[in-house]
Order: sequence, then structure tokens, then C-alpha cells
Amino acid sequence: GAGVSQTPSNKVTEKGKYVELRCDPISGHTALYWYRQSLGQGPEFLIYFQGTGAADDSGLPNDRFFAVRPEGSVSTLKIQRTERGDSAVYLCASSLVPVTGGGDTQYFGPGTRLTVL
Amino acid sequence: RKEVEQDPGPFNVPEGATVAFNCTYSNSASQSFFWYRQDCRKEPKLLMSVYSSGNEDGRFTAQLNRASQYISLLIRDSKLSDSATYLCVVIVPNAGKSTFGDGTTLTVKP
Repeated sequence: GAGVSQTPSNKVTEKGKYVELRCDPISGHTALYWYRQSLGQGPEFLIYFQGTGAADDSGLPNDRFFAVRPEGSVSTLKIQRTERGDSAVYLCASSLVPVTGGGDTQYFGPGTRLTVL
Repeated sequence: RKEVEQDPGPFNVPEGATVAFNCTYSNSASQSFFWYRQDCRKEPKLLMSVYSSGNEDGRFTAQLNRASQYISLLIRDSKLSDSATYLCVVIVPNAGKSTFGDGTTLTVKP
């Protein structure tokens, strides 16, 4: 079946611009996660949705970052007034149920490579 | 200090070698542990979960040491295709947040 998809695969923007990154999770997966990965580092947690609601947004670095999942499926990560330091690969993952103790597998999308000039 | 720490490597080993990676975590409340594999410019993929009793999947063995707060991954009979970055992941109970290490890079050479 279809895996997690993310669009666009690459995004180049200028400092100060607004960008939206989209994630289509695996059908039926209730939990959705956004991560950011910089070169040479592991994925850094940003936000996690259970259904439509953000269950944990503690990883969002500041108020320029916002994410929504209005119908409990597709999610959009929005970044306002982009800065050069926002350049990274933004990864989305989904799981059938949340990865709480006992765990469930997170399936990652291929990521969106964001470059802020 | 990072919550999850890994030796970045790189580990350069010949085919057929046995190699082991460790990952330490700081939150003693952590309950779920995983190893992910990430190929260059690709997304992470689950390699295996790590259970308290240790677990094995073919050439791969994962172990957990709660007292010392580390997990390990052992790869036996290394293949060229094992070349990748190995990420350890730690999850605290009732939290959706996964904390990743920065990964250990393995290169298996002919």
C-alpha cells in the first residue's frame, strides 16, 4: 500500500518568506509526527498529532512554526518569516496508534528539503 | 548533555566483521527503545525494537541495559549493504515524542 508522502520534495525560498509543507500519512494512521533533521544530526521532534489535535507541540522552536491537521489525515507544517537556520529536511511520520510505551512503528515519509537563501 | 547520545563513528569495517554500537539515554523513565536505519538522503526505517530481554533478528542483536541506561546493537557477518547510519530512538511512556540520537555511521568495505 501507499506509504507516507510529503510535498514538495524540495523547497527553496528566500529569507522572510512563508512556506507550507504537506504530509499525507498512511491511510488509517491516527498519529502523525513532524521532525526536522539537519545534516549530521538525528531527527528532532517538532510536533505530534493524535487525530486532529496537537497532542504535543513542545518541539516547535518558536511561534513562527505552526502545524495543522484539520481532518485528522493530511497535515501541513507552516513556517512564517523563514530564516536561514530553518534550512533542514522536514520529515513526517505516521503510526497506527501513538508510539507510547509498548510502541508502535513510525513510518517516515521521504521528507521535504527546505533551503532558505 | 543530550538526552540520547551515540558515538558518531564512522565505523569502517571489512565485510564479515562483527560490529557493535552503543546508545546511552539520560531519562530513567524511558520505556520504549528502537534502532532505525537511515541511508544517505533517505528517510529513517525501523530496524528493530529493543526488548528488556534482548532480541535477535538474523544477524542483528539488540540489547537493553536499564541499570546503565544504554542500548546496544550488534551486527554479525557485516554485509556491504549494511552501510548506513544507525539511529537509536527512546520514548518516554505516554508521550508521543520520540527522541533520536544523532546516529552512528557504518561503512562496510569489501
